[in-house]
Amino acid sequence: KAGVTQTPRYLIKTRGQQVTLSCSPISGHRSVSWYQQTPGQGLQFLFEYFSETQRNKGNFPGRFSGRQFSNSRSEMNVSTLELGDSALYLCASSSPGLGLDTQYFGPGTRLTVL
Amino acid sequence: SQKIEQNSEALNIQEGKTATLTCNYTNYSPAYLQWYRQDPGRGPVFLLLIRENEKEKRKERLKVTFDTTLKQSLFHITASQPADSATYLCALEDSSASKIIFGSGTRLSIRP
Repeated sequence: KAGVTQTPRYLIKTRGQQVTLSCSPISGHRSVSWYQQTPGQGLQFLFEYFSETQRNKGNFPGRFSGRQFSNSRSEMNVSTLELGDSALYLCASSSPGLGLDTQYFGPGTRLTVL
Repeated sequence: SQKIEQNSEALNIQEGKTATLTCNYTNYSPAYLQWYRQDPGRGPVFLLLIRENEKEKRKERLKVTFDTTLKQSLFHITASQPADSATYLCALEDSSASKIIFGSGTRLSIRP
């Protein structure tokens, strides 16, 4: 099976802009979670989507949003970018009920905000 | 408050020795705990899962223990090799919020 894919791999934006990141889960996985990883804060949970519905949300401002499509692909959007949004954004897919929510991660999107 | 802590930011050991990494948690009652490996610039890769009713789990040179009384998991790599150098993350299920919480990771370096 193909792994989790994320596009783009690298992105450079300026403050105030918005960005959309994309994630394609492993075939058959219906849950997609998004994480932000920074050196200072580690891996932090943003939100999880399951069957096109947001099931869980972390402690991030409303500028961070996401959605999931009927084919389980997911997008994450960050509006009004701030310097502190520079991070590695990771998407992970899982199949709840099979493997107890083991997360299969994509390679990440490295976002730099200037 | 709820916390998940890994013993140190970095651990350096000699090739061939056993590396032991620690994960402690506070105010969680996880049904299971997971360990992941992350190489620079890449996403974490799942290694092992241990359930609350399991004391120990092994996979090749890897061994994980889970002590729910101490609220601690230990991750061992025996006969360590330079290729084992990476950051290792523990993660547990926050059942109250139905999500996975990750520790900050321990960067392991194995010197030849």
